[in-house]
Amino acid sequence: NAGVTQTPKFRILKIGQSMTLQCTQDMNHNYMYWYRQDPGMGLKLIYYSVGAGITDKGEVPNGYNVSRSTTEDFPLRLELAAPSQTSVYFCASSPDSISNQPQHFGDGTRLSIL
Amino acid sequence: AQKVTQAQTEISVVEKEDVTLDCVYETRDTTYYLFWYKQPPSGELVFLIRRNSFDEQNEISGRYSWNFQKSTSSFNFTITASQVVDSAVYFCALSVAGGYQKVTFGTGTKLQVIP
Repeated sequence: NAGVTQTPKFRILKIGQSMTLQCTQDMNHNYMYWYRQDPGMGLKLIYYSVGAGITDKGEVPNGYNVSRSTTEDFPLRLELAAPSQTSVYFCASSPDSISNQPQHFGDGTRLSIL
Repeated sequence: AQKVTQAQTEISVVEKEDVTLDCVYETRDTTYYLFWYKQPPSGELVFLIRRNSFDEQNEISGRYSWNFQKSTSSFNFTITASQVVDSAVYFCALSVAGGYQKVTFGTGTKLQVIP
């Protein structure tokens, strides 16, 4: 019953450092998403993927990159960390878009940029 | 474009009181889906309910009930006899059929249930 697994759960970065947030799902879902949640706000979509090898930008993609080499994994990369990227990051997956089933969320990664 | 408004930023109630969380949405699509998620203090997002635009039946699940009214573009959530464990941030969300299932989230309502 792993579902969507995100690592790490917490991380502190210095300005200008880079890191990769990992996301893995074991439900064989085609669709995967990365969101950020800023304090007092809802979730904003960063990037999404509709299948292995296919990714596209969401609402707030600047400063991030993604890749989708397998169905299971959808890592999010921050190349040059900035204080504005301090946020909680959620990865999610869903089987398809046709039935609009609820997205399954990971537990989140809390990231602070100092 | 889709929009979800949760006008109540924070609500405090005393345990056992009933509380209603409001959600108003905007979309030009005729086929869409509405969701409620709960985010407890531990931070994870817990799915509560999904409703499609063609089903206006109200739903009750234990102490939770949802009132969907297309005429007012609202999808309100009521907790009956609130408990401390209900303390959380509740998000209403909207997605439209097709595409990549773009989900638009409201800004959330923080509910505090006081013992």
